[in-house]
Amino acid sequence: DSGVTQTPKHLITATGQRVTLRCSPRSGDLSVYWYQQSLDQGLQFLIQYYNGEERAKGNILERFSAQQFPDLHSELNLSSLELGDSALYFCASSVGPSGGTGELFFGEGSRLTVL
Amino acid sequence: SQQGEEDPQALSIQEGENATMNCSYKTSINNLQWYRQNSGRGLVHLILIRSNEREKHSGRLRVTLDTSKKSSSLLITASRAADTASYFCATDGYIGANSKLTFGKGITLSVRP
Repeated sequence: DSGVTQTPKHLITATGQRVTLRCSPRSGDLSVYWYQQSLDQGLQFLIQYYNGEERAKGNILERFSAQQFPDLHSELNLSSLELGDSALYFCASSVGPSGGTGELFFGEGSRLTVL
Repeated sequence: SQQGEEDPQALSIQEGENATMNCSYKTSINNLQWYRQNSGRGLVHLILIRSNEREKHSGRLRVTLDTSKKSSSLLITASRAADTASYFCATDGYIGANSKLTFGKGITLSVRP
């Protein structure tokens, strides 16, 4: 158990809809990262927050947005969903502000299926 | 874009054999990490090697790093069926002053009992 909690584990929705994925980081970790994993694209970095502030941005679509709340949990909002958004969405956390300098702790992921 | 590229894409070995997986990357790094993912589960950190290190051990794992060739290898000795998983190398890359971890597409390791 990594200590990172993601909900929901599975989500099935229709094209055009909007969903929210939630992540609670490990106790004491200030950074939260969101990754998307699909068969064709592999594991893609989306966005990172550190202590409530956006820290780094990757290949995140404009239809997607995220935020980190004062209690450090984070939400990833996906809107106007398309079939290609079907993927595993992972949240990871770390103590420090830099994603490359230490170990990331991953949640079990939220599997999104868009029909 | 993917920074690390693993090789081979898939590897099948017999229990007890050693498994060697390779990773190549394109730009300078500060460190390289290896992660493991069981099917449909979250990634688990295995080992981190810094750019000024050449070799690192952790239990049955041995990682090497050759910064001149921009490559790393992960060796799992005396493999077990439970080692069956996907293995990813990840490199740090800077966006301005910030560092993010970029993953390769992974190697699927199957260990036959």
